[in-house]
Amino acid sequence: TQLLEQSPQFLSIQEGENLTVYCNSSSVFSSLQWYRQEPGEGPVLLVTVVTGGEVKKLKRLTFQFGDARKDSSLHITAAQTGDTGLYLCAGGGFNAGNMLTFGGGTRLMVKP
Amino acid sequence: DAGITQSPRHKVTETGTPVTLRCHQTENHRYMYWYRQDPGHGLRLIHYSYGVKDTDKGEVSDGYSVSRSKTEDFLLTLESATSSQTSVYFCAISGLAGNEQFFGPGTRLTVL
Repeated sequence: TQLLEQSPQFLSIQEGENLTVYCNSSSVFSSLQWYRQEPGEGPVLLVTVVTGGEVKKLKRLTFQFGDARKDSSLHITAAQTGDTGLYLCAGGGFNAGNMLTFGGGTRLMVKP
Repeated sequence: DAGITQSPRHKVTETGTPVTLRCHQTENHRYMYWYRQDPGHGLRLIHYSYGVKDTDKGEVSDGYSVSRSKTEDFLLTLESATSSQTSVYFCAISGLAGNEQFFGPGTRLTVL
């Protein structure tokens, strides 16, 4: 069974601060995705990284896939209250079913 | 946004009663999934489908069955609901774009 550990589980910061969320595993994944989920809604895909060492930027969000494709990080610069939510990483398998392994999530609260 | 709807959005039922949750998509995606989301466990795969009448078990399939008679509909049935099945249930779909999945809005199920 592939496992993905996310850290920290909870993070409470002030608006304007920077933060990094980590997603680690001992398994290799074909891809790594990050989702954001708001209360009462389903997760929404933010980004997919597929190449070891890949870095993708989405405005103030920077996503990195580890060289060995076992880990990933999400860095947010100058957090805003609108960034509040649950961040989930998910690793893609090497199978035809497109099954994902999800991490436990990081709950971020950005205070004004 | 991917066209995915779930019904009902909220349901309260009693232990021992059968419950069916419906997922409907308008994207003509091949793969459909049912997850449950519980505090401390993240998203866990219950069952998935890779085509009409083609389904397979996920990580936590005990007590659940599924059916897919049409591309657009994926049903999740709890034959005899138990309190441990109180959870938020999400349907997801994916096409051919890597392992990216798109989620429905969720169904909150309470079993008393």
